[in-house]
Amino acid sequence: EAGVTQSPTHLIKTRGQQATLRCSPISGHTSVYWYQQALGLGLQFLLWYDEGEERNRGNFPPRFSGRQFPNYSSELNVNALELEDSALYLCASSSYDTLNQPQHFGDGTRLSIL
Amino acid sequence: QKEVEQDPGPLSVPEGAIVSLNCTYSNSAFQYFMWYRQYSRKGPELLMYTYSSGNKEDGRFTAQVDKSSKYISLFIRDSQPSDSATYLCAMSGGGATNKLIFGTGTLLAVQP
Repeated sequence: EAGVTQSPTHLIKTRGQQATLRCSPISGHTSVYWYQQALGLGLQFLLWYDEGEERNRGNFPPRFSGRQFPNYSSELNVNALELEDSALYLCASSSYDTLNQPQHFGDGTRLSIL
Repeated sequence: QKEVEQDPGPLSVPEGAIVSLNCTYSNSAFQYFMWYRQYSRKGPELLMYTYSSGNKEDGRFTAQVDKSSKYISLFIRDSQPSDSATYLCAMSGGGATNKLIFGTGTLLAVQP
């Protein structure tokens, strides 16, 4: 079974540009989560999408946004890039039901802002 | 105070040793507790998933949760050089929030 896949692996941008990161969940999973892993800050929750809708959002500015498509894949968009946005962006997926299934992660997109 | 505290290490042990990794937390609403292993340049890999208090064993790994003390542990028996990685604890309250709160990770090195 294929795991969570993310693209691109690396992305280099300059300040003020926009970045788009993509994620394909494990087959059968309807929930997609985005996390930021910045040096010295650990993993921070960004966004949660389920069945095409945003369910929860972390403490990040509105220039971090995303969407989930009918096939459950997801995009994370970061506008007006700042130097501190340099980080590893991780996508996770899970099935979402009352049993609260665990989240499985991809290998991330490393975003570097010059 | 952070919601989840984890000793960053690094922790260095000889091959074959028993490793103990720990996290403490402050939010009594947490019900789901996880341990992830992260190798360099890779994403976190789920090792253990526990609901509420108690012990869970899977091969060389044992997870313990003590909700009364707000303390969770991961034990690794017969540690191997391939266990060298960063170990992350994570927890959530489940339900409508469903977000994971992570510790900062403990870097483990198992020396051959």
